[in-house]
Amino acid sequence: DTEVTQTPKHLVMGMTNKKSLKCEQHMGHRAMYWYKQKAKKPPELMFVYSYEKLSINESVPSRFSPECPNSSLLNLHLHALQPEDSALYLCASSPGGHNEQFFGPGTRLTVL
Amino acid sequence: KNEVEQSPQNLTAQEGEFITINCSYSVGISALHWLQQHPGGGIVSLFMLSSGKKKHGRLIATINIQEKHSSLHITASHPRDSAVYICAASSPHNTDKLIFGTGTRLQVFP
Repeated sequence: DTEVTQTPKHLVMGMTNKKSLKCEQHMGHRAMYWYKQKAKKPPELMFVYSYEKLSINESVPSRFSPECPNSSLLNLHLHALQPEDSALYLCASSPGGHNEQFFGPGTRLTVL
Repeated sequence: KNEVEQSPQNLTAQEGEFITINCSYSVGISALHWLQQHPGGGIVSLFMLSSGKKKHGRLIATINIQEKHSSLHITASHPRDSAVYICAASSPHNTDKLIFGTGTRLQVFP
């Protein structure tokens, strides 16, 4: 299995809702990433987990809460989001070190 | 000034044309990545290179470390090559962080 899967594909939520994005990989990669991508912009790194521990948090607001329950799964818990948080959220994984990152198809999030 | 610059920002071509996308960087890197993103879609890693040249099918990527410059070439372009191409640099100090260029939007017409 050489792919990164993300669910759901699309998500519409209100500003008072709580929802979660899920990401899964079965390639044995030690690093997993969350990116946010606005239209016509490159991805922006949000969080990195290395060996299931949070290693990078790019000063992301606390309404985004990452979780890595095991080496194959990565969640992003969302609460009290703002309309400007609407974006494509991409998950990626990597063996780490000087290796490429494998990206999932993304979750398109709309906050009303 | 961005640490990773790409040119052109937008590119249109006729099917069959040879295409070149350029990437310049101003920071030290451990590797340079070329990524492809189709509209509304996820990102696919095309190449990761730290020296020389790599080829995969109709795609060729080159890097000149001294000049801090990389190019992505597409030979015999096809409408299915229409996508955004992004170059990204890996820092030698933190290989988990990629510094992204702003992307080149390519449209290939039949």
